[in-house]
Amino acid sequence: EVQLVESGGGLVQPGGSLKLSCAASGFTFSDSAMHWVRQASGKGLEWVGRTRNKANNYATAYAASVKGRFIISRDDSKNTAYLQMNSLKTEDTAVYYCTRVWQQPFDYWGQGTLVTVSS
Amino acid sequence: SYELTQPPSVSVSPGQTARITCSGDALPQKYAYWYQHKSGQAPVLVIYEDSKRPSGIPERFSGSSSGTMATLTISGAQVEDEADYYCYSTDSSGGVFGGGTKLTVL
Repeated sequence: EVQLVESGGGLVQPGGSLKLSCAASGFTFSDSAMHWVRQASGKGLEWVGRTRNKANNYATAYAASVKGRFIISRDDSKNTAYLQMNSLKTEDTAVYYCTRVWQQPFDYWGQGTLVTVSS
Repeated sequence: SYELTQPPSVSVSPGQTARITCSGDALPQKYAYWYQHKSGQAPVLVIYEDSKRPSGIPERFSGSSSGTMATLTISGAQVEDEADYYCYSTDSSGGVFGGGTKLTVL
């Protein structure tokens, strides 16, 4: 059974940092691209960024709203993807989901983890 | 930056056909994907590559794409189909979701 479990969310002050993890199981993690998607309260889904697999040189891409502040990485030996969030702003407050691309984009999602940026 | 445009809301009665559109300049070259999202749950892929339906998704869900517009059609909408629906596609810099459409079935 495919499972994606996010962790690491919480309350952080503006300007602070937080690192989210996404633990994967039930599929060949190393073959999949991993994406992060967020949803602020009352808003729609927003694509945050992704890391491709080793065959694609672990290439990363980011939404303009987070580029230069967020870093996506992965550790295939641990079946885990990460989202390092720096210089956080109040508008980064959202539920953050990890999701995979295997044969199709986003066929499985985690349950989400809440990040609150507030003083 | 690339944008996908959806109507904010669509409302139908049970048993009627609901159509949700998604417009974007790159859709003639890029596939559209559709996700159903209910509050408190993870999104669910309901249509991929414009018109293909994943296993387990009811046959009443279908998709099409023509020119710069993709359409999700729910034929004979059920009360349980009430949810937010998002289109998704890609551009040269990554991915993008439409703004979402709230489908009301009542």
